[in-house]
Amino acid sequence: DTAVSQTPKYLVTQMGNDKSIKCEQNLGHDTMYWYKQDSKKFLKIMFSYNNKELIINETVPNRFSPKSPDKAHLNLHINSLELGDSAVYFCASSQGVLPSEKLFFGSGTQLSVL
Amino acid sequence: DAKTTQPPSMDCAEGRAANLPCNHSTISGNEYVYWYRQIHSQGPQYIIHGLKNNETNEMASLIITEDRKSSTLILPHATLRDTAVYYCIVRAMTGNQFYFGTGTSLTVIP
Repeated sequence: DTAVSQTPKYLVTQMGNDKSIKCEQNLGHDTMYWYKQDSKKFLKIMFSYNNKELIINETVPNRFSPKSPDKAHLNLHINSLELGDSAVYFCASSQGVLPSEKLFFGSGTQLSVL
Repeated sequence: DAKTTQPPSMDCAEGRAANLPCNHSTISGNEYVYWYRQIHSQGPQYIIHGLKNNETNEMASLIITEDRKSSTLILPHATLRDTAVYYCIVRAMTGNQFYFGTGTSLTVIP
């Protein structure tokens, strides 16, 4: 079983559309994250949820709205997609928020906005 | 949060040990050093982490200097499948931040 799974793996869409990326973890972890990797391969944290509560919001445009229906899921909804949103988005999870707890990453969703 | 500095790229001969350095001169006493790698466009993969003592697992060894200002990741017998970008990360005690830097692109040469 995949520990952290994201869907879809590839997403091609037009500017202005609204799209969602789903993430699920079966590790029983309390904390989940969204990261964005741009064309320069720089991985940047976007959001973090702990027990369904938002704990990190890294100056991401409000067109991006994370939603955590339960501890095992953290979905990312993007409104009014722009060309600059094209990137690979990674979901991750950790047992908790302690610095000794490692992150497990999904395989990524490659978003292409045309 | 403490920042890390890594060489942008390194080569290593297959079968030899790969030693990847990382500087983290502003690290605080309770911040952990983590190493992850990313193969092509896959998700980052956890390798190892440590606080003060040297650590070893089935993938690698982590050597942290006594002053904790630098560390070295050692892949004891590099294979072609170890070709990847390796990230050294310092994880802060507060704020739950986990920042990736630019990493070292390791190429294992046959």
